[in-house]
Amino acid sequence: DVKVTQSSRYLVKRTGEKVFLECVQDMDHENMFWYRQDPGLGLRLIYFSYDVKMKEKGDIPEGYSVSREKKERFSLILESASTNQTSMYLCASIGGGVAYNSPLHFGNGTRLTVT
Amino acid sequence: AQKITQTQPGMFVQEKEAVTLDCTYDTSDPSYGLFWYKQPSSGEMIFLIYQGSYDQQNATEGRYSLNFQKARKSANLVISASQLGDSAMYFCAMREVDSGGGADGLTFGKGTHLIIQP
Repeated sequence: DVKVTQSSRYLVKRTGEKVFLECVQDMDHENMFWYRQDPGLGLRLIYFSYDVKMKEKGDIPEGYSVSREKKERFSLILESASTNQTSMYLCASIGGGVAYNSPLHFGNGTRLTVT
Repeated sequence: AQKITQTQPGMFVQEKEAVTLDCTYDTSDPSYGLFWYKQPSSGEMIFLIYQGSYDQQNATEGRYSLNFQKARKSANLVISASQLGDSAMYFCAMREVDSGGGADGLTFGKGTHLIIQP
């Protein structure tokens, strides 16, 4: 069974802090994703990575960066946290060369509050 | 333009009734897949059901079925005999195979908050 683990369930940070959200998957998946979830807005893609050291911007990359130094780990970085980045962050993964019907595998989410 | 539209922000349904959650989509890609996820208050995203654009039959998984109307670009989720444990957020999502560009990721709708009442 695929396991996607997000290191923190809840996180409280101050405005201006540098924040790291960590995600680890144990299925040797090539593709990893960071989504942000807000009420009334659904899930929006921040960044994704299709290989080690490779990254691509999603729909809302502003204010975020990512790091993928190892295949199993994908980190989301808030360089200088702001209150409008208070949100639920979801990490997901999927293997490369997927069939149409392969679902994304999600972690349990990190609820970040920036004060 | 939104690729996935869920027009029901919230729904209240009596226990044991059937529920239909609406989803319409927009794509010019002939090859695509549609997914439904359930998110309980715990926050985990649970994959429920999948429908491919070339599938001839509507998908079914236990109490979940998908009413797929390709010409109308709709993929409504039907939950039969609802239970209290069905109370959750439900998200419709799409993967565009040829034009997706996003490393096989999914585009999500805004979700429907379903509450089952005893």
